[in-house]
Amino acid sequence: GAGVSQSPSNKVTEKGKDVELRCDPISGHTALYWYRQSLGQGLEFLIYFQGNSAPDKSGLPSDRFSAERTGGSVSTLTIQRTQQEDSAVYLCASSFSGKAYEQYFGPGTRLTVT
Amino acid sequence: KNEVEQSPQNLTAQEGEFITINCSYSVGISALHWLQQHPGGGIVSLFMLSSGKKKHGRLIATINIQEKHSSLHITASHPRDSAVYICAVAGSQGNLIFGKGTKLSVKP
Repeated sequence: GAGVSQSPSNKVTEKGKDVELRCDPISGHTALYWYRQSLGQGLEFLIYFQGNSAPDKSGLPSDRFSAERTGGSVSTLTIQRTQQEDSAVYLCASSFSGKAYEQYFGPGTRLTVT
Repeated sequence: KNEVEQSPQNLTAQEGEFITINCSYSVGISALHWLQQHPGGGIVSLFMLSSGKKKHGRLIATINIQEKHSSLHITASHPRDSAVYICAVAGSQGNLIFGKGTKLSVKP
């Protein structure tokens, strides 16, 4: 079956512009996670959705970052007024529920802010 | 101190060697994941475990909850095993806390 998909796969944007990154989880997966992998850095958690609600936004690095999930399915991560330090690979993962469930990762969106 | 520590950071092995990658964590967890990331590629989940041992082909993962330690073993290593192996622990809501990864290079 279809895995987690993300779009676009690559995005180059100018500093100061807004960007939207999309994640399509595996059908039936209620939990959705956004992570970020900056160049030379490890992976870090950004935000978690259970259904449409986001009980944990603790990882969002600033108020320029926001995310929403509609219909318990697709999620959009929005970065406003992008900065060069936002350049990273943004990964989405989904699972049947939170906690101790296997997470399936999407291919990521590589964001470059020039 | 990082919540998830992996060792070694880099590992070079000859084809056929037995490989061990270690992971120690300092937080309470509901599960521990081992992930594989190929150069330029995506992330694949290898194992999720909360106790004991799991085996998949040439890969074996173990976890000791009391000691807060897990190991990933690769038997009869092959150049295609070259990748970054990442240990991650699941927090209270399932969000993952990642180690910095172990870069494995297996030479033919």
